[in-house]
Amino acid sequence: SQKIEQNSEALNIQEGKTATLTCNYTNYSPAYLQWYRQDPGRGPVFLLLIRENEKEKRKERLKVTFDTTLKQSLFHITASQPAESATYLCALGASGGSYIPTFGRGTSLIVHP
Amino acid sequence: GAVVSQHPSWVICKSGTSVKIECRSLDFQATTMFWYRQFPKQSLMLMATSNEGSKATYEQGVEKDKFLINHASLTLSTLTVTSAHPEDSSFYICSAVPGTGGDQPQHFGDGTRLSIL
Repeated sequence: SQKIEQNSEALNIQEGKTATLTCNYTNYSPAYLQWYRQDPGRGPVFLLLIRENEKEKRKERLKVTFDTTLKQSLFHITASQPAESATYLCALGASGGSYIPTFGRGTSLIVHP
Repeated sequence: GAVVSQHPSWVICKSGTSVKIECRSLDFQATTMFWYRQFPKQSLMLMATSNEGSKATYEQGVEKDKFLINHASLTLSTLTVTSAHPEDSSFYICSAVPGTGGDQPQHFGDGTRLSIL
């Protein structure tokens, strides 16, 4: 069956370090992958999109990689700040079927001052 | 830009009541809107996709008669939970995209926390 897996354990890091979050998938032929940030009691906010033929995307201190061989996307925040503590969701859009992305359950990031 | 407003943000009501949740795109025309349900520490579960002027497409296992969706205009979609029961208590979130989807980012409302007593 199709699965999108994000680490259920919170990631705790120190301010200024690089946070790396993982999104693994199985039994998908991905067309694209999106990353969102969700704060408690709020709706998700779009951060980055990467398509299947792209290996890396950057936006300011954010970087996303997409490895279709490993079936994995990594989301990096360099020089992370406490205000970036939130839950980060990946969403995978499959090719050849519904264009609507399926969301992972997210990983909580806690950046300590 | 791309602001989506969802109302109400929270509602508490008695079992058997029907509850209507509104989702509005404030600064763009939303051809497609999505309705999700989210349990604590769980992923967003897609309930239905609505396109302006046509019937909503419901995901497998979602009761159409229970969760009525109306996308009457390019800026408004509503979700009505009919005859709500405690098991319907959840966090409901809408999102909107300007086109028909694809890889376009979804713009989310801030959700509605529904508690049925």
